[in-house]
Amino acid sequence: DVQMTQSPSSLSASVGDRVTITCRASQDINSWLAWYQQKAEKAPKSLIYAASSLQSGVPSRFSGSGSGTHFTLTISSLQPEDFATYYCQQYNTYPLTFGGGTKVEIK
Amino acid sequence: QVQLAESGGGVVQPGRSLRLSCAASGFTFSSYGMHWVRQAPGKGLEWVAVISYDGSNKYYADSVKGRFTISRDNSKNTLYLQMNSLRAEDTAMYFCAKVPGIGLLDAFHIWGQGTMVTVSS
Repeated sequence: DVQMTQSPSSLSASVGDRVTITCRASQDINSWLAWYQQKAEKAPKSLIYAASSLQSGVPSRFSGSGSGTHFTLTISSLQPEDFATYYCQQYNTYPLTFGGGTKVEIK
Repeated sequence: QVQLAESGGGVVQPGRSLRLSCAASGFTFSSYGMHWVRQAPGKGLEWVAVISYDGSNKYYADSVKGRFTISRDNSKNTLYLQMNSLRAEDTAMYFCAKVPGIGLLDAFHIWGQGTMVTVSS
């Protein structure tokens, strides 16, 4: 199975900060990586697919980059509604696997 | 408007069975692969199973293989997850999710709101 490792597991940031979350795959997954946002007690929301493509309706302050085994999710200017947990997921091969999540909290 | 609505969750004893449903609306259900994903309380996301648009291809996580069966009824626009021999570790919120195209290996596009399954004696 492809292991997905996210870092950090949590972070504290202020509104307006630039935030970067890293996701590493245990083997080459090309660009078959997605990012999801999940707020407390809610279903996940799709943010990014194919490592860097924004889902329709997702604000442009979100961006993704990377390929192979190293990926990043960047929020250019953190907004109050962005405080949530973020997950990466590989869809290069079965079983599909997720990272452990990164909780973004208010400083 | 594309919508997925799960139902069928509840409290069940270990070893018993439960069937979850996911009702789809707002899109041509019979054209898309569908997944089940679960999340244990306070934990991360775990992929469970996938089924192709016509039901001919199915894949499962090792943790549920042989116990869970994914199926669909395209005439009813509904996805199912039959869960047998339930264990305490199956306790989770179960989400159905849609992919944007015909392929099964794809990012999830739309998620349902989830249905909670609790396995406890």
